[in-house]
Amino acid sequence: EVKLVESGGGLVQPGGSLRLSCSASGFTFSNSAMHWVRQAPGKGLEYLSLITSDGGTTYYADSVKGRFTISRDNSENMLYFQMSSLRPEDTAVYYCVRDLTWGQGTLVTVSS
Amino acid sequence: EVVLTQSPGTLSLSPGERATLSCRASQTVRSNYLAWYQQSPVYGLRLLIYGASSRAIGIPDRFSGSGSGTDFTLIINRLEPEDFAVYYCHQYSSSPRTFGQGTRVEI
Repeated sequence: EVKLVESGGGLVQPGGSLRLSCSASGFTFSNSAMHWVRQAPGKGLEYLSLITSDGGTTYYADSVKGRFTISRDNSENMLYFQMSSLRPEDTAVYYCVRDLTWGQGTLVTVSS
Repeated sequence: EVVLTQSPGTLSLSPGERATLSCRASQTVRSNYLAWYQQSPVYGLRLLIYGASSRAIGIPDRFSGSGSGTDFTLIINRLEPEDFAVYYCHQYSSSPRTFGQGTRVEI
């Protein structure tokens, strides 16, 4: 069974940093492109970032480009999302996604 | 990027009725890589349909998807109380992946 488990969310002040992690199991992680998607409170789904299976290619939405970094460790079956210069509008549930399978999400709250 | 526009924004129906949700893409969704998700307090975010018309595991047959190219439809027959939720279409044929803005099905 494909399983994705996010962690690392929490409360952070504006301008702060946070690193999200996603633990993957049930599939060959090193063969899979991975994604991050978020949903702000009361809003729709926003696609944020992609990393190819070997980590060689990444994509970022304009809303996070230059502030967030996606990475992976294929030896540990882990996906990461380093978030810096956080803003209140980054408050959202962040989801790790493989193909059409989603984790349960982790809540990031940016507030003073 | 492929912009997905869902209509209507809100659908007001009663249990037992049929819901018809539309998703229109700004350009062709290759290989019909179009999915539908349901988001509700009961199920959280749940994959309903992939490949435009294939039901995901465990999804009742009252949910059906159709369409190709740029026009896609999700039909929910005989609405059950747990079907009142928000529905999103999602294209995964081209990068970046994109989502529609959602359709709320309310009582």
